[in-house]
Amino acid sequence: GEDVEQSLFLSVREGDSSVINCTYTDSSSTYLYWYKQEPGAGLQLLTYIFSNMDMKQDQRLTVLLNKKDKHLSLRIADTQTGDSAIYFCAEREDKIIFGKGTRLHILP
Amino acid sequence: DAGVIQSPRHEVTEMGQEVTLRCKPISGHDYLFWYRQTMMRGLELLIYFNNNVPIDDSGMPEDRFSAKMPNASFSTLKIQPSEPRDSAVYFCASSEQGARYNEQFFGPGTRLTVL
Repeated sequence: GEDVEQSLFLSVREGDSSVINCTYTDSSSTYLYWYKQEPGAGLQLLTYIFSNMDMKQDQRLTVLLNKKDKHLSLRIADTQTGDSAIYFCAEREDKIIFGKGTRLHILP
Repeated sequence: DAGVIQSPRHEVTEMGQEVTLRCKPISGHDYLFWYRQTMMRGLELLIYFNNNVPIDDSGMPEDRFSAKMPNASFSTLKIQPSEPRDSAVYFCASSEQGARYNEQFFGPGTRLTVL
């Protein structure tokens, strides 16, 4: 069945890079997404990658996709306190399936 | 556009009471989703509609939960009777069919506490 797995917590020092990992099961997914949820708010699309791409870079964000291993990662360079949030990995075939979210904690 | 609107933002009720959560999707969007978020289970899809028609309600936990979408601009999620384990944040989201990457736009959520 469809499933998206990601670790629940990640702590990173301010200024370091954060890497959030995700595995998914549906090899026919057309799009894979990273959503961000700030405290007290709904989810917002952060970035996405089409399934025929290996990498996508957008300013401080780098998304890597390994289709063979069904592994998706999000790298945030120069992590700032404003990056503190929950990050959700999601895949889409006929509907979007979300992981449980990774809570990113920034250490001073 | 004001985005997806949900009401109320917070709801505190007693066990056994009926609870109704409301959602107004973004104008022109033809998909509407209801999600529930808890620390233990994460984000769960409860039900989604396409053009006001329920497509998949397999995530609805039990018969106490029901959802309706009487028109393109309004949906409700009702819990009757409510139980303490229903306490969670409930999100509504909408999206547009045919949009290039099918982004879902989320409302701010309704935090439900059942005592």
